[in-house]
Amino acid sequence: GAVVSQHPSWVICKSGTSVKIECRSLDFQATTMFWYRQFPKQSLMLMATSNEGSKATYEQGVEKDKFLINHASLTLSTLTVTSAHPEDSSFYICSASRVPGRRETQYFGPGTRLLVL
Amino acid sequence: ELKVEQNPLFLSMQEGKNYTIYCNYSTTSDRLYWYRQDPGKSLESLFVLLSNGAVKQEGRLMASLDTKARLSTLHITAAVHDLSATYFCAALNYGGSQGNLIFGKGTKLSVKP
Repeated sequence: GAVVSQHPSWVICKSGTSVKIECRSLDFQATTMFWYRQFPKQSLMLMATSNEGSKATYEQGVEKDKFLINHASLTLSTLTVTSAHPEDSSFYICSASRVPGRRETQYFGPGTRLLVL
Repeated sequence: ELKVEQNPLFLSMQEGKNYTIYCNYSTTSDRLYWYRQDPGKSLESLFVLLSNGAVKQEGRLMASLDTKARLSTLHITAAVHDLSATYFCAALNYGGSQGNLIFGKGTKLSVKP
């Protein structure tokens, strides 16, 4: 159990377009989902935390108007990269936890590789 | 602010040898994770360490946690080529309200015949 999927697994888009990435918990309800970004040969950096039915909490330095997060249901969170630019090219990974708060394992999705031309 | 430091960042070792990866964290955290990442892939969970003195083993990998020293180790015994990957430790952000993870920079392990 505890499977997290992401769609698409990779995407190539032109500069200036918007891209939506979906993160789904397939066999559990995820009240909290986390979005990470990983640049080549670097570690994962938390971008934002989303809770079902409320606004996402963004980490310092992450533009909330550029990276729109919607956690509309207990099994789905979406990250939309608006007006994407080449510097947004990265590996985006989501994770989900079953219950809110600090004492829960996070289950990671397979990641979405974004390339902006 | 919780910070996580791993060392070494790069590790090249021969098959059959033993080595340890170290993970230090700066403030109190009550949960320490180890992950493996293969090139182009997401994270694979290896271990979750919950308390001081916790030790977990899976195959050739053994992880331990010393909360007083704020140190976790990942020990590799008799390395084989299949263990080549990048290994990340992460600490639960105890000060955060929503339980996010803070990751180390990762250790890229290359096991050579």
